[in-house]
Amino acid sequence: QKEVEQDPGPLSVPEGAIVSLNCTYSNSAFQYFMWYRQYSRKGPELLMYTYSSGNKEDGRFTAQVDKSSKYISLFIRDSQPSDSATYLCAMRKEGAQKLVFGQGTRLTINP
Amino acid sequence: GAGVSQTPSNKVTEKGKYVELRCDPISGHTALYWYRQSLGQGPEFLIYFQGTGAADDSGLPNDRFFAVRPEGSVSTLKIQRTERGDSAVYLCASSSPDIVGVPGELFFGEGSRLTVL
Repeated sequence: QKEVEQDPGPLSVPEGAIVSLNCTYSNSAFQYFMWYRQYSRKGPELLMYTYSSGNKEDGRFTAQVDKSSKYISLFIRDSQPSDSATYLCAMRKEGAQKLVFGQGTRLTINP
Repeated sequence: GAGVSQTPSNKVTEKGKYVELRCDPISGHTALYWYRQSLGQGPEFLIYFQGTGAADDSGLPNDRFFAVRPEGSVSTLKIQRTERGDSAVYLCASSSPDIVGVPGELFFGEGSRLTVL
């Protein structure tokens, strides 16, 4: 079993919809939780991070972490065609630098 | 340059050959990482440098893989006796140090796509 599980999709939704992406994990030592966006043939770019549990909002994006359930989510409101990309969750332990990534979910927003 | 630069962007080689992949990090970033991304998968950690030294090489799959960063800036990932299973995109990233509760953001390059025939 992988440390971080993420449904690879693909996920296709109409423009303007609310998108929900999520990951589960098994290692309770993870403290930093990140969401990356990766366009085709590009490197991942950081969207948001959360330290420990809680919610964080940045514009149309909201990240949630539920450590009791070992479950993290990313919500995208008012989705745009430019949001079409692969979304990767990633996490790491306190004091460690190694990021453990999920498989990535391929998202398409249809105009 | 403004971002992380990786060369070559594409490399096709034959099974058994030796390959070097280069990473030029963002100026001033002391931390440098190598990850490997297979098709349809997330990046997989290989090695992390802090300055010139490899602080964590636990992700290197076997002794055919080696990485160096002799002057604390540019890094080279070296793969000996390449195998077809080594085919993947090799991603390099650099970051500034963590601040308490705030992780240093990793900036990734576009990757070197390695194909072993």
